[in-house]
Amino acid sequence: GENVEQHPSTLSVQEGDSAVIKCTYSDSASNYFPWYKQELGKRPQLIIDIRSNVGEKKDQRIAVTLNKTAKHFSLHITETQPEDSAVYFCAASGYTGTASKLTFGTGTRLQVTL
Amino acid sequence: DAGVIQSPRHEVTEMGQEVTLRCKPISGHNSLFWYRQTMMRGLELLIYFNNNVPIDDSGMPEDRFSAKMPNASFSTLKIQPSEPRDSAVYFCASSPRTGDTGELFFGEGSRLTVL
Repeated sequence: GENVEQHPSTLSVQEGDSAVIKCTYSDSASNYFPWYKQELGKRPQLIIDIRSNVGEKKDQRIAVTLNKTAKHFSLHITETQPEDSAVYFCAASGYTGTASKLTFGTGTRLQVTL
Repeated sequence: DAGVIQSPRHEVTEMGQEVTLRCKPISGHNSLFWYRQTMMRGLELLIYFNNNVPIDDSGMPEDRFSAKMPNASFSTLKIQPSEPRDSAVYFCASSPRTGDTGELFFGEGSRLTVL
């Protein structure tokens, strides 16, 4: 099955700096790569996703890049703000012909300091 | 829509007791997922359903765990008998897509503590 590795496990940046989180996946058939944000005590929520037919996607201060050859994808947050502090999870999924399931990375705890 | 609704939000029980967690997916969503979250193992997929049919239960830890989806608006995850290592937050999520991958909408989670 799919295996997703995520780095770093913790990341501390100063407000206004950029943050980058990286993930690798094992199954070359995976074609969908979402990122979820989980604030303390809350549910994970989708913040951005990318499909295998594109290499980059942006939404305001966040962007995701995908390298299918190397089987890795990254989340970039620019101009970080205190409200960006949370745990971020990457995930990978492939459609099997019946249904599909997301395999999550182990999460990155981002701390944005003033 | 109120989103995915889970109950109970918190459950404290003693080892050996039966635990039942409940989930109401978003109306119209075809897929339902049960995840377990712990500090050590992160978010683990336990089982998922497509159109009320279990598709993959390979993540269910052992026979003590069972899940059902009797209709499109209700699912249960049962642990019997419960053990302290089952302590975790259990999330239910639903997705509108059938046959393709789409966004997961998570419930608030059920925090289980087994003493």
